[in-house]
Amino acid sequence: EIVLTQSPATLSLSPGERATLSCRASQSVSSYLAWHQQKPGQAPRLLIYDASNRATGIPARFSGSGSGTDFTLTISSLEPEDFAVYYCQQRSNWPYTFGQGTKLEIK
Amino acid sequence: QVQLQESGPGLVKPSETLSLTCAVSGYSISSGYYWGWIRQPPGKGLEWIASINHFGSTYYNPSLKSRVTISLDTSKNQVSLRLSSVTAADTAVYYCARGLAFDYWGQGTLVTVSS
Repeated sequence: EIVLTQSPATLSLSPGERATLSCRASQSVSSYLAWHQQKPGQAPRLLIYDASNRATGIPARFSGSGSGTDFTLTISSLEPEDFAVYYCQQRSNWPYTFGQGTKLEIK
Repeated sequence: QVQLQESGPGLVKPSETLSLTCAVSGYSISSGYYWGWIRQPPGKGLEWIASINHFGSTYYNPSLKSRVTISLDTSKNQVSLRLSSVTAADTAVYYCARGLAFDYWGQGTLVTVSS
C-alpha cells in the first residue's frame, strides 16, 4: 500500500498570502496524484488531478506540481473561502490511498 | 450536470450488514468510468473502500475486502455497497464518487453503528 504523508498538518496564513502544501508518497505514483478540498460539513471537491491539471471550474490561483514521490499544491493568493482541509490522493496503485490532510486555517 | 446521491439506513446494529445506494443522475453508469465508495469517520480523514468499472470489474481495500461488496444496477443507474459484520469502527460518513480521481462526489450519508 502506498502511504501518502502530507505536511504541514496545519498551516496558518492570512488572506492574500501564498500557501504551499506538500504530499510525499512512499513510492513513485508517477503523475497519478490528485488534490481534494474539504470544507466543514461538506463533501470533498476535486481541485487538481494527475498532479497538475485543474478540475473543471477550479480557479487559476490553485496549481499543482510534482511527479514521482514529491508533490505540491500551491494557492497563489488566499481567498477567505480557501480555508479548509486539503487531501492528496493517489490512483497509481490499488488500494487507492489518501494523505492524512493539511488544515489551512486563518492566522 | 452529474449528480450523485447516497442513501442508507442511518443506524445499523453491530454484527449486521450495512447496505448503501448511490443514485447517479446526469450520466449513464453503463457508459464508462469507475465508481467508488469512500468513507470518513467523524473528525478523521478519508479512506477508500472500493471501486467498480462499467464492465463490472471490482477493486477493494484489502483492509475491508472480506466484508465488502460493490455492485452496479444499470437499470436503476445506481451503485451499491454492502458491508457485513459491522462494528463501531465502521461509523462514518460514506461517500460515493466517480472516476479514478473522484471528480464528482455525493454529499455523503452518515452511518452510525450502535445497538
